[in-house]
Amino acid sequence: SQKIEQNSEALNIQEGKTATLTCNYTNYSPAYLQWYRQDPGRGPVFLLLIRENEKEKRKERLKVTFDTTLKQSLFHITASQPADSATYLCALVTGGFKTIFGAGTRLFVKA
Amino acid sequence: SQTIHQWPATLVQPVGSPLSLECTVEGTSNPNLYWYRQAAGRGLQLLFYSVGIGQISSEVPQNLSASRPQDRQFILSSKKLLLSDSGFYLCAWSGIGGVEQFFGPGTRLTVL
Repeated sequence: SQKIEQNSEALNIQEGKTATLTCNYTNYSPAYLQWYRQDPGRGPVFLLLIRENEKEKRKERLKVTFDTTLKQSLFHITASQPADSATYLCALVTGGFKTIFGAGTRLFVKA
Repeated sequence: SQTIHQWPATLVQPVGSPLSLECTVEGTSNPNLYWYRQAAGRGLQLLFYSVGIGQISSEVPQNLSASRPQDRQFILSSKKLLLSDSGFYLCAWSGIGGVEQFFGPGTRLTVL
């Protein structure tokens, strides 16, 4: 069956450290992989997109890697800040207009 | 710039009552439109998407329906709500050929 898995346990890190979140998928062949941020009671906000033929993408303190062989994406936030605390969603884009979202991982950054 | 509106923000409805949630997008033309539901602690479940006026694709068979009467208006409806319809409903849009989606503020629906 098709699955997208993100660590359901919250990730707690100290301010200034690098946060690394994992997204694994099975039985998909995504054309793109995206990461979104969601704050409590709000809609998700698009952060980054990486294509299937790209290995890595960076945007300011954010870095995404995409390994289509391992079927895994890693999302890194360097020099993390308490304001980075949120739930981060991984999303796969398959053919057509269909986007499949993972359940997300909660990140807590302690001052 | 583009903006997306959803209303109401919160809604408490009895079982068996009808539902109408509205979503409108400003600042863009011919967007792809989406309705998602998010249950507590779970991922976003795609309910419906639309690539144009009157064109609706349903992803999950259920007692909900969607309509797109105008280019930038997307409506989610139900004739009779079930307890299991409770959740956080999100509308989103994407541009033609674009894959990143832009979400509205959401509607928290509680069915009692």
